[in-house]
Amino acid sequence: AQKVTQAQTEISVVEKEDVTLDCVYETRDTTYYLFWYKQPPSGELVFLIRRNSFDEQNEISGRYSWNFQKSTSSFNFTITASQVVDSAVYFCALKTGGTSYGKLTFGQGTILTVHP
Amino acid sequence: DGGITQSPKYLFRKEGQNVTLSCEQNLNHDAMYWYRQDPGQGLRLIYYSQIVNDFQKGDIAEGYSVSREKKESFPLTVTSAQKNPTAFYLCASSIVGGYTFGSGTRLTVV
Repeated sequence: AQKVTQAQTEISVVEKEDVTLDCVYETRDTTYYLFWYKQPPSGELVFLIRRNSFDEQNEISGRYSWNFQKSTSSFNFTITASQVVDSAVYFCALKTGGTSYGKLTFGQGTILTVHP
Repeated sequence: DGGITQSPKYLFRKEGQNVTLSCEQNLNHDAMYWYRQDPGQGLRLIYYSQIVNDFQKGDIAEGYSVSREKKESFPLTVTSAQKNPTAFYLCASSIVGGYTFGSGTRLTVV
């Protein structure tokens, strides 16, 4: 069985602070995909990144960066110089297997609040 | 523009009633999913379907039913057997490369 744990339930920061959201996953599969989604107050999930199990390179996209470490089964997400618009719920998710179909297993989510 | 349409956005149900949540996609995706979101529990899979006329139970299927008669449509019925249906329901579809989510339906039992 697979599992995703986001230990931080809520994080509160002041604008321009850096913030890291933790994600730890469990799976016995050697092929899997990891995702991060953002859920603003409107409710829809906005895709941020997908990473497969064979690609451990870190990625940077603007103020966002992701640190994937298979040795610790972690896929952490850092927002640099946070802004009020970053306030949302963030989900880490895992999909096992090598196909594009199949269920996503989500973490509990982290509520990020950025204060002006 | 292609996407997923969920309706209604808000739904109120009396105890003992069945209600159906609509999910329509025009992305030509084969697979579709229903997730339930409760505070502090993330999203949990209710049902999913990989092709028309076929679907599988997810982790919390009890009290729910689905159909997949058309590729574009995957309605979810919340039956009276679901003891605690108040939640936010998200529909999704997928194809090679990723998933697309709808904007959700918030169901409240009154």
